[in-house]
Amino acid sequence: GAGVSQSPSNKVTEKGKDVELRCDPISGHTALYWYRQSLGQGLEFLIYFQGNSAPDKSGLPSDRFSAERTGGSVSTLTIQRTQQEDSAVYLCASSLTSSGGYEQYFGPGTRLTVT
Amino acid sequence: GENVEQHPSTLSVQEGDSAVIKCTYSDSASNYFPWYKQELGKRPQLIIDIRSNVGEKKDQRIAVTLNKTAKHFSLHITETQPEDSAVYFCAASSGTGNQFYFGTGTSLTVIP
Repeated sequence: GAGVSQSPSNKVTEKGKDVELRCDPISGHTALYWYRQSLGQGLEFLIYFQGNSAPDKSGLPSDRFSAERTGGSVSTLTIQRTQQEDSAVYLCASSLTSSGGYEQYFGPGTRLTVT
Repeated sequence: GENVEQHPSTLSVQEGDSAVIKCTYSDSASNYFPWYKQELGKRPQLIIDIRSNVGEKKDQRIAVTLNKTAKHFSLHITETQPEDSAVYFCAASSGTGNQFYFGTGTSLTVIP
C-alpha cells in the first residue's frame, strides 16, 4: 500500500522567502509528526498532530515555523522568512493512533536549502 | 519531559562481531521503545521495538533488552554484516500523548 509521501523532495529557496512543505500520511493514521534532521544529526522533533489538533508545539524553533493539518490527513509545514540555518531535511511520519505506542512510518523527506 | 541519551555516537566493528548500542531515558511513564535504522540518504525505518511489559525481544540477528528499573534499553546486533552499516536511533514514547523522543543516533560501520 501507499506509504507516507512528502513534497517537494527538494526545495531551494532564497533567504527571506516563505516555503511550504507537504506531507501525505498513510490513510487511516491519526497521528502525524514533523521532524528536522540537519546534516549528520539526529531527529529534532518539531510538532505532532492527533487528528487536526496539535497538542504539542513545543519543538517549533521560532514563530517563523507553523503547521496545520486539515481533514485529519494532509499536513503542511510553513517556514516564513527562511534563514540559512533552516537548511535541513524535514521528515514527516505518521502512526496509527495517539496512544499505546505505535510504529512511526517516515516519509522520504524534503531537503530544504536556503541560499 | 522525556530525555533520551544514546551511546556511543560512532561504532566500528569487524564483520561477524557483535555491536551493542545503549540508550537511557528519564520518564518512568515511557512504555514503548522502538529502534530505527537509517541508511545514507534514506528514511528511518523501524527494525525492532519493545514494550515495557517485556524484558527482551529477538528477531534473527537483532535483539533489544529493556531494564525498566534502571531506565535503559539496548540494541544488540550479532554476526554483523556490511549491510548493517547505518545510523541507528533509539526512541521512547509514553503512549499517553504519543510524543516520541529520539536519541542522537549511532553511526555503525561494519568493516569487511
